[in-house]
Amino acid sequence: KAGVTQTPRYLIKTRGQQVTLSCSPISGHRSVSWYQQTPGQGLQFLFEYFSETQRNKGNFPGRFSGRQFSNSRSEMNVSTLELGDSALYLCASSLAPDSAYEQYFGPGTRLTVT
Amino acid sequence: GQNIDQPTEMTATEGAIVQINCTYQTSGFNGLFWYQQHAGEAPTFLSYNVLDGLEEKGRFSSFLSRSKGYSYLLLKELQMKDSASYLCAVAYNQGGKLIFGQGTELSVKP
Repeated sequence: KAGVTQTPRYLIKTRGQQVTLSCSPISGHRSVSWYQQTPGQGLQFLFEYFSETQRNKGNFPGRFSGRQFSNSRSEMNVSTLELGDSALYLCASSLAPDSAYEQYFGPGTRLTVT
Repeated sequence: GQNIDQPTEMTATEGAIVQINCTYQTSGFNGLFWYQQHAGEAPTFLSYNVLDGLEEKGRFSSFLSRSKGYSYLLLKELQMKDSASYLCAVAYNQGGKLIFGQGTELSVKP
């Protein structure tokens, strides 16, 4: 079956703009998590969604937000972009929001803020 | 905090065995994952440990000691394609949130 897909794959924005990233989970997966990956900080948890509800949130400012739709697809939004937001944004899906279920990662969206 | 510690980089020879260690804080522990990530690619799942002991899967094995807050990933018969970053991730409490270590960059030399 198809894996996790993320769009767009690459994005260049300027400071102050906002951006929306999209994630389509594996068919049948209802839990979606978002992570930010940078060379300095590694992979950091942003948020987790299940049944259109945010179940968990990482330590990121309110400029970072997300949502999940009834078909389990998820979007994340970053407003008022800063240079430090340049990163690889990874989405992961699993059957349910439980650590016993393996998370499958998408290819990521590479965001560059200039 | 929930720091996950693993070595930054390691080098090994093709055909050899390498062990990558990971230590973590034990409070609220609910499972440990190892992922492999090649440069420019998404992390891929290698193993999951929630009980003490060794889990073997082909050339890869993962060990967990919950009381010591310690895990290792053992890679046998190293191949050049094993050159990648190996990420240790811990699930704390309920839910799917994972806390990742910084990753260990493994270089396999001929």
